[in-house]
Amino acid sequence: GAGVSQTPSNKVTEKGKYVELRCDPISGHTALYWYRQSLGQGPEFLIYFQGTGAADDSGLPNDRFFAVRPEGSVSTLKIQRTERGDSAVYLCASSLTSGNTDTQYFGPGTRLTVL
Amino acid sequence: SQQGEEDPQALSIQEGENATMNCSYKTSINNLQWYRQNSGRGLVHLILIRSNEREKHSGRLRVTLDTSKKSSSLLITASRAADTASYFCATDPNSGGYNKLIFGAGTRLAVHP
Repeated sequence: GAGVSQTPSNKVTEKGKYVELRCDPISGHTALYWYRQSLGQGPEFLIYFQGTGAADDSGLPNDRFFAVRPEGSVSTLKIQRTERGDSAVYLCASSLTSGNTDTQYFGPGTRLTVL
Repeated sequence: SQQGEEDPQALSIQEGENATMNCSYKTSINNLQWYRQNSGRGLVHLILIRSNEREKHSGRLRVTLDTSKKSSSLLITASRAADTASYFCATDPNSGGYNKLIFGAGTRLAVHP
């Protein structure tokens, strides 16, 4: 079956611009997670959705970052007034439920480059 | 901030040799997982070991967990060139009932034919 998909695969933008990154989780998965991975580092947690609600957004770096999941499926990560330090690979993962032994299935990521 | 540290940061071996990667973490955990990542993109889940387990096997993979030392190791036996990737440990220290993963910085494994 289809895995987690993310679009676009690459995004190049200029400093100060607004970007949206999309995640399509595996059908039926109720839990959705966003992570950010800088070069040479492991992924860092950004936000967790259970259904439509953001249950934990403690990893969002500042208020320029926002994410939504209005129908409990597709999620969009929105970054306002992008900065060069936002350049990273943004990874989305979904799991069937939010249980702590549930496997998270990761998408291929969106590589964001802010010039 | 990242929870874990992998050791070594990079490992280069020949096909057929075994590869051992270590992970240390800081807080108490529910479980520890190992992931593989090719070419800096999507991660693939390899194995999960619960905090009350000490060893687990899956194919050519063997994972150990020592909660008293807050450390884990991943052993890949009879390595193949296709095992070349970055390997990350991830812990779930969260008590909120969901799987907020904290990753280490990873070990880059290169297996030469």
